[in-house]
Amino acid sequence: DGGITQSPKYLFRKEGQNVTLSCEQNLNHDAMYWYRQDPGQGLRLIYYSQIVNDFQKGDIAEGYSVSREKKESFPLTVTSAQKNPTAFYLCASTTLGDTDTQYFGPGTRLTVL
Amino acid sequence: GQNIDQPTEMTATEGAIVQINCTYQTSGFNGLFWYQQHAGEAPTFLSYNVLDGLEEKGRFSSFLSRSKGYSYLLLKELQMKDSASYLCAAMDSNYQLIWGAGTKLIIKP
Repeated sequence: DGGITQSPKYLFRKEGQNVTLSCEQNLNHDAMYWYRQDPGQGLRLIYYSQIVNDFQKGDIAEGYSVSREKKESFPLTVTSAQKNPTAFYLCASTTLGDTDTQYFGPGTRLTVL
Repeated sequence: GQNIDQPTEMTATEGAIVQINCTYQTSGFNGLFWYQQHAGEAPTFLSYNVLDGLEEKGRFSSFLSRSKGYSYLLLKELQMKDSASYLCAAMDSNYQLIWGAGTKLIIKP
């Protein structure tokens, strides 16, 4: 069953702690993306990766870090430097070169207490 | 700058038709996407337009006018399950998606 998985669905952390959100896809997609969604705003791009061992900053990369050691996996770390980390985090992936349609995982809702 | 505008909220009646408009300004253009997002869930892909005209997919249709920087999503025979947010996104010259804030569609019986 092909798809994109994110875990966990809900995550609670204390202020000052780093936390890593997982994203895995078995669609053989080239590119993977991390977005943040806040109420009343459009999705904002945090980081993206088009190839293994390479990634690019999006519009709001400060306070976040990523890695792309395997094609299937693109974990996101929310560091203590991120000023307002409570949000809904969405991972997406796509095959490059066609319509570049992005498909999303179920999302992780992070609450920092 | 790059910008997407769509109405914040719309209300429609079950069984009716509703049109959700989207205007965009991007650096270059490589297509216009519509996604549906139910509360607390991830967006799901609905449609993609890159050429002018209407694309029909069952009860949903999407229209694009590149010269006007305008698109709309048309939903026919509305059902209660269509209550959701509808996200418009334009792909720029770098193949990055620029997202609107979404239109919350409320369906009344």
